[in-house]
Amino acid sequence: NAGVTQTPKFRVLKTGQSMTLLCAQDMNHEYMYWYRQDPGMGLRLIHYSVGEGTTAKGEVPDGYNVSRLKKQNFLLGLESAAPSQTSVYFCASTRPLDGQLYEQYFGPGTRLTVT
Amino acid sequence: DAKTTQPTSMDCAEGRAANLPCNHSTISGNEYVYWYRQIHSQGPQYIIHGLKNNETNEMASLIITEDRKSSTLILPHATLRDTAVYYCIVRGNAGGTSYGKLTFGQGTILTVHP
Repeated sequence: NAGVTQTPKFRVLKTGQSMTLLCAQDMNHEYMYWYRQDPGMGLRLIHYSVGEGTTAKGEVPDGYNVSRLKKQNFLLGLESAAPSQTSVYFCASTRPLDGQLYEQYFGPGTRLTVT
Repeated sequence: DAKTTQPTSMDCAEGRAANLPCNHSTISGNEYVYWYRQIHSQGPQYIIHGLKNNETNEMASLIITEDRKSSTLILPHATLRDTAVYYCIVRGNAGGTSYGKLTFGQGTILTVHP
């Protein structure tokens, strides 16, 4: 099992450019999440998905869009990048067990710099 | 979800037990206590969770007070590789509005020194 993988690992964008971050998991998890982490801060939830074809907003969704066309993939899009979106982006996944959500598995992160 | 309070930083000697406290005085009856850690530049890693009983796994032990208002994560024999930021998170179950979201605070920076 590869667990949760993220592509790319690093990226530098210019203001106004667009890009898509890919998260893939091979654990057949229903729930997937996108977080961002700014320097010296904890993670903040951007968007999440509770199943294929469904997405919902988290705490800081502005400037991002997501899609979950396949159960194993969760895409995070930046339509017009801004310097404020410079951050490390983490994807995570989990599945319900007896009606509970326990351990979340995190990917290694994507380091994005917007100049 | 209830808020948590943790010390900003702690030190521990290698081979000794590291005891990381967490205060969650507003925790409600159906909320769990979770611990994650983040080693520099890596994704967070799940450590352990509990509801009201003490829990132990291969990584750590979790001691929750009887009133559930605080807890302690114990790393029994800390190594240099345990140097990380440790996050204490309180969260409701899947049936609530939390949808599994983890709310990360600032955490405790644990430094294990030789």
